[in-house]
Amino acid sequence: DQQVKQNSPSLSVQEGRISILNCDYTNSMFDYFLWYKKYPAEGPTFLISISSIKDKNEDGRFTVFLNKSAKHLSLHIVPSQPGDSAVYFCAASGADTGNQFYFGTGTSLTVIP
Amino acid sequence: NAGVTQTPKFRVLKTGQSMTLLCAQDMNHEYMYWYRQDPGMGLRLIHYSVGEGTTAKGEVPDGYNVSRLKKQNFLLGLESAAPSQTSVYFCASSYSIPPGPQYFGPGTRLLVL
Repeated sequence: DQQVKQNSPSLSVQEGRISILNCDYTNSMFDYFLWYKKYPAEGPTFLISISSIKDKNEDGRFTVFLNKSAKHLSLHIVPSQPGDSAVYFCAASGADTGNQFYFGTGTSLTVIP
Repeated sequence: NAGVTQTPKFRVLKTGQSMTLLCAQDMNHEYMYWYRQDPGMGLRLIHYSVGEGTTAKGEVPDGYNVSRLKKQNFLLGLESAAPSQTSVYFCASSYSIPPGPQYFGPGTRLLVL
């Protein structure tokens, strides 16, 4: 059963606007979350992370929000740029997952110039 | 630094053939991982290693074997390839167990006929 879910396979946003990518999880033991960005024919690259002791982490144009009660996190990109067009994966780990991250299925973001 | 490299980039196998995928990292990371990515499934962990000479099973280990004879290399073997193993394989490494972020290679696309 998928423990980390990204229910939107794709998202299109106009350049300069905000992109919001969502991720839901089922395991209440997850306490660390990451977002990765992936371009075609390349491996995923780490983007931003958040631990469960925080509800927000910001890095430049990228902000991740965590809502533990709803088991939901989101990635905000402001302003969106054409170079942000990629597939975004969220991943989670926790005390009961040992050395493993569990990944979502990804959301393909297209930023329209 | 090359980071994480994978060999080969693309391979076609016939059912029953064997092959080895090579992953190398030059970041002196202790931890290394093999994932497979399938459409609609996200990344799933096959096997991982927490140090030279150690290996452990991930989420989907059946049909694969691994070895970590040197710290910088992590090999993934398919003894008897099956069409269900058609996938894109990613290797990753990290300096710590989760929650440390993982650094991914560019991937190996494998087609089993």
